Amino acid sequence: KAGVTQTPRYLIKTRGQQVTLSCSPISGHRSVSWYQQTPGQGLQFLFEYFSETQRNKGNFPGRFSGRQFSNSRSEMNVSTLELGDSALYLCASSLVVSTYNEQFFGPGTRLTVL
Amino acid sequence: AQSVTQPDIHITVSEGASLELRCNYSYGATPYLFWYVQSPGQGLQLLLKYFSGDTLVQGIKGFEAEFKRSQSSFNLRKPSVHWSDAAEYFCAVRVNNAGNMLTFGGGTRLMVKP
Repeated sequence: KAGVTQTPRYLIKTRGQQVTLSCSPISGHRSVSWYQQTPGQGLQFLFEYFSETQRNKGNFPGRFSGRQFSNSRSEMNVSTLELGDSALYLCASSLVVSTYNEQFFGPGTRLTVL
Repeated sequence: AQSVTQPDIHITVSEGASLELRCNYSYGATPYLFWYVQSPGQGLQLLLKYFSGDTLVQGIKGFEAEFKRSQSSFNLRKPSVHWSDAAEYFCAVRVNNAGNMLTFGGGTRLMVKP
């Protein structure tokens, strides 16, 4: 079974631009979560989607948004990019939303904002 | 709100030596605890998890962790470290009514000397 895939793997943007990152969960998984990883702030939860609905949201500004499609694939969008948005963005998938779930992480998308 | 602390940012051990990585959490009830490992350029891989029951849990790659409620700790151990264990290790907590959201510690970078 294929793992979680994220595209693109690397991205370079300039300040003020917007970016869209994509995540394809493991087949059959319906929950997708997004995390931002930076050297200064570590791993921080962005949001979680299940059945095309946002179930949880972390403490990030409204420039960060996401959505989930009927096939469970998810995208996240960052508008008006800032230098501080440079990070590794990780996507994780799981079967459902449950405290007992195991989440499987993708390799991440490395975003560099110049 | 819950939080996770990993007191050691860097640890260096010799190959074949034993290893213990510390993790302390702050949460009013019993949390669900996880250890993940991240190799350079990779996503996160689950090593082990604690939900309930036996406080000593076994994971993959020869790792184990012990949940100590009285100390709010969930330390990761390995009796004999291999060079391939060099990576960054993250402790994480999940709490009730927060879906799949994980709160991560700051991570411990493990280096292995030959």
